[in-house]
Amino acid sequence: ETGVTQTPRHLVMGMTNKKSLKCEQHLGHNAMYWYKQSAKKPLELMFVYSLEERVENNSVPSRFSPECPNSSHLFLHLHTLQPEDSALYLCASSPSRHWDYGYTFGSGTRLTVV
Amino acid sequence: GIQVEQSPPDLILQEGANSTLRCNFSDSVNNLQWFHQNPWGQLINLFYIPSGTKQNGRLSATTVATERYSLLYISSSQTTDSGVYFCAVGSRTGGGNKLTFGTGTQLKVEL
Repeated sequence: ETGVTQTPRHLVMGMTNKKSLKCEQHLGHNAMYWYKQSAKKPLELMFVYSLEERVENNSVPSRFSPECPNSSHLFLHLHTLQPEDSALYLCASSPSRHWDYGYTFGSGTRLTVV
Repeated sequence: GIQVEQSPPDLILQEGANSTLRCNFSDSVNNLQWFHQNPWGQLINLFYIPSGTKQNGRLSATTVATERYSLLYISSSQTTDSGVYFCAVGSRTGGGNKLTFGTGTQLKVEL
């Protein structure tokens, strides 16, 4: 275990469903991130939260809605997704958004949209 | 934005062989990290190395920041080294910190 826990590990959802991905970190970090990893593409940064405030949104479609209720928890709410949204979604945390080290990833949620 | 290129894209080794993975980046960086993603998707941080050389067991890394490249050396490779190796760079220019990842080197170590 890395100290960053993601649930569920696997998720299959229809295009009309609503689901949520959860990330929890036990490292005392202040910054949390969502990344998307599609086949044969580099990891893409989706959102950055620092001290529960969203500080970056990389032009992500509104069908992805993040929530950070406290510095230990991060959610990604999903609704009306498309098949091309199928990917591995990775959560990460770091001591602060002005990090220099200590960047830690969770194991990811593999999402399939049918 | 900053570009990160990794080579080779794919690599097959016999167990016990040595290899060198390369990461080139297009602009000055404050941070550079190497990650290993195992076949189950877990990304593990190998090195934080914005400059200089570090070693950890059979792995070592060197970054020459002035020439904008980093190298990851794997010696006496084992089957457990299989997976994808990513280089990621961070820059404080352009607002905020974020990691930009390369496309990775897919490594397979065979018996």
